[in-house]
Amino acid sequence: DAMVIQNPRYQVTQFGKPVTLSCSQTLNHNVMYWYQQKSSQAPKLLFHYYDKDFNNEADTPDNFQSRRPNTSFCFLDIRSPGLGDAAMYLCATSRDLGGSSEQYFGPGTRLTVT
Amino acid sequence: TQLLEQSPQFLSIQEGENLTVYCNSSSVFSSLQWYRQEPGEGPVLLVTVVTGGEVKKLKRLTFQFGDARKDSSLHITAAQTGDTGLYLCAGASSGYSTLTFGKGTMLLVSP
Repeated sequence: DAMVIQNPRYQVTQFGKPVTLSCSQTLNHNVMYWYQQKSSQAPKLLFHYYDKDFNNEADTPDNFQSRRPNTSFCFLDIRSPGLGDAAMYLCATSRDLGGSSEQYFGPGTRLTVT
Repeated sequence: TQLLEQSPQFLSIQEGENLTVYCNSSSVFSSLQWYRQEPGEGPVLLVTVVTGGEVKKLKRLTFQFGDARKDSSLHITAAQTGDTGLYLCAGASSGYSTLTFGKGTMLLVSP
């Protein structure tokens, strides 16, 4: 049973063309996260929601936005993708913040920018 | 900024061998997690350690949290091809913080 679902698994977009990645969860968790992972690098946290409270990491570019219309869904919007934004985008959820709360990851969306 | 350094970055071994990978930081973490990520998939949690000196075992995998809660190790006994993947450690600085991930150790176990 899928718990964190990401669509699409593979996304190709053109340079500068807005793109939206989606994530849904069946766990009813309070926290949802978006990470960017480039080849041979650590997952980099872009932002997270605790319920409806949005928390942006200080170094996340303005080009990246997020929406959480309800508990189950969260979206990542890239307003003007550049070649450097090509990466795997991972969505994760957890019941609460902190290291004692397990994060459940989706399978990721591989974004290609042409 | 808290950093987690993982070593080695890449490890290629034969089935049946033992191995240890390391996760080190100059910062203290309230807890540390280990994940395994297979190609094209998201990371999956293996274990969480919270107490300095703690040792946890998961079948052939043994995890240890350093006494000072700044480092951790993962030891695999008699590796199998199914152990192949990227092993990531991630630490939380407090009970309410987000996780900081290391770059990972890519393990390849050949038959």
